Amino acid sequence: GAVVSQHPSWVICKSGTSVKIECRSLDFQATTMFWYRQFPKQSLMLMATSNEGSKATYEQGVEKDKFLINHASLTLSTLTVTSAHPEDSSFYICSAPGFPQSETQYFGPGTRLLVL
Amino acid sequence: AQSVTQPDIHITVSEGASLELRCNYSYGATPYLFWYVQSPGQGLQLLLKYFSGDTLVQGIKGFEAEFKRSQSSFNLRKPSVHWSDAAEYFCAVGLSGGGADGLTFGKGTHLIIQP
Repeated sequence: GAVVSQHPSWVICKSGTSVKIECRSLDFQATTMFWYRQFPKQSLMLMATSNEGSKATYEQGVEKDKFLINHASLTLSTLTVTSAHPEDSSFYICSAPGFPQSETQYFGPGTRLLVL
Repeated sequence: AQSVTQPDIHITVSEGASLELRCNYSYGATPYLFWYVQSPGQGLQLLLKYFSGDTLVQGIKGFEAEFKRSQSSFNLRKPSVHWSDAAEYFCAVGLSGGGADGLTFGKGTHLIIQP
């Protein structure tokens, strides 16, 4: 089946620094990927849609300058949390529609970010 | 906008007993419906999905779900749970099968298995 990986799985950073999270589709190509945020014991909230070769589409209330998304290739999307603050600490999860079953999304294992 | 409600935050079930997790959705048309399971340290795993056709769908790990349009529900069931089923379960809805649009998730139900 389709596999999505994320790197790193864990990151701790100081307040004010930027953190980059990678999302890769390992055995298929994905022109679209999705980024979610999950707070402890809460649901996943869609942050943005990453589009290969074009700008990302952000959900209402998500700061595009804070969460920079780059989808540079058909297998890689990156999320950069810029000038991170403690309130950005969360679990970030990406997903990609599988191939050929594009109606099903496959999720990465997630990246836990802790901003001190 | 679509929404998903999972009314049970926690459910405790004895091992070997049957299980039903509730999910209600709000959407104008027939949505694409999913159940995912999330275990600690692991990504979300798709249990089953409903797009159209037979309203009773079978999934992996012995799970099934039934789509009831009149009740706007898509409840997940399993006849006999195993200790390994302890996890967080999420119901989700997509506008277009999930390929072109992100999913809207319920808040999740935490399943606890008693020995």
